[in-house]
Amino acid sequence: NAGVTQTPKFRVLKTGQSMTLLCAQDMNHEYMYWYRQDPGMGLRLIHYSVGEGTTAKGEVPDGYNVSRLKKQNFLLGLESAAPSQTSVYFCASTRRGASYEQYFGPGTRLTVT
Amino acid sequence: RKEVEQDPGPFNVPEGATVAFNCTYSNSASQSFFWYRQDCRKEPKLLMSVYSSGNEDGRFTAQLNRASQYISLLIRDSKLSDSATYLCVGSRSNDYKLSFGAGTTVTVRA
Repeated sequence: NAGVTQTPKFRVLKTGQSMTLLCAQDMNHEYMYWYRQDPGMGLRLIHYSVGEGTTAKGEVPDGYNVSRLKKQNFLLGLESAAPSQTSVYFCASTRRGASYEQYFGPGTRLTVT
Repeated sequence: RKEVEQDPGPFNVPEGATVAFNCTYSNSASQSFFWYRQDCRKEPKLLMSVYSSGNEDGRFTAQLNRASQYISLLIRDSKLSDSATYLCVGSRSNDYKLSFGAGTTVTVRA
């Protein structure tokens, strides 16, 4: 039981490049989330999903897109990376009715130069 | 203004000491509160829930004061392993989302 995994762990992009972050969970959780964490800002919600095929915007969605084609996977895309998107990205999942207990992946450290 | 605000610290305490810190919340619609723990360069993990009546889990005690809109966490007999950032988290009823504070850093020294 791996829990929540994220790929890749580290990445350096040049401004304007695109990439996709992959989140996978093996706990059969219905809800999945993408956050970014910046110093002094705490965790901010980018997008979330309450089920396969459904996604919704969070607090800071601009510049990101997501997809949840399979229940166990939640993809975060950056179409044209900007230096402001340098951050640590965390994926989380939880079961229906227990959104307070989110299980986080180990994070992806992204630097955009 | 963020829904949940925390004193970032750091709180530097010797082993065996008691350390306590608060967070305040601005949205009275927030129904439930929790403390998460985040070790350096690691992912956050749920530490404990917070109830108005108080909640104790070993050396950790959490309290909610709805009248003054603050949540507290107290750590007794601090251990070196308690060094971490503690995130205050709010949740609204029937909402899928959580509101995270920026965290309070605690460093326990030998």
